[in-house]
Amino acid sequence: KAGVTQTPRYLIKTRGQQVTLSCSPISGHRSVSWYQQTPGQGLQFLFEYFSETQRNKGNFPGRFSGRQFSNSRSEMNVSTLELGDSALYLCASSPTDYEQFFGPGTRLTVL
Amino acid sequence: QKEVEQNSGPLSVPEGAIASLNCTYSDRGSQSFFWYRQYSGKSPELIMFIYSNGDKEDGRFTAQLNKASQYVSLLIRDSQPSDSATYLCASQGGGSQGNLIFGKGTKLSVKP
Repeated sequence: KAGVTQTPRYLIKTRGQQVTLSCSPISGHRSVSWYQQTPGQGLQFLFEYFSETQRNKGNFPGRFSGRQFSNSRSEMNVSTLELGDSALYLCASSPTDYEQFFGPGTRLTVL
Repeated sequence: QKEVEQNSGPLSVPEGAIASLNCTYSDRGSQSFFWYRQYSGKSPELIMFIYSNGDKEDGRFTAQLNKASQYVSLLIRDSQPSDSATYLCASQGGGSQGNLIFGKGTKLSVKP
């Protein structure tokens, strides 16, 4: 079974721009979660989608948004990028309410 | 503020020894606990999860949970150099509270 895929793997943007990241979960998984990982803050939860509905949301500003499509694929968008948004963005899919499986991540650099 | 605390390490053990990784959590409502391994430059990989008090064994790995003490641990027996990585502990609320709350990880180094 194919794992979680994320595109693109690397992105370089400048401050003020916006970016859209994509995640395809493992086949059959309906829950998709997004996390931000930085050296200082570690892994922090952004939001979770289940059956196209946002089920949980972390403590991030409204510049961070997401959505899930009927095929469970998910996208997250960050508008008005700031230098502090430079991070590894990880998507995880889950078949249940328990274990989550991570994709390879998208490395975003904001200049 | 729900928190998961881990000793950042580095924890250094000789090859063949037992590595003991520890984690405490603040939210008594947490139901399930996970251990992930993350190699440098890679994404976290699930090792095992536990939701009942006591021990759970999977090969060389044993997870231990004590809900009264809000304490989770991971033992790695017969440690190998390939076990050298950062180990992340995570807690999860019950039911639809699917988000994981991660500790900042403990870096383990297994010396040949």
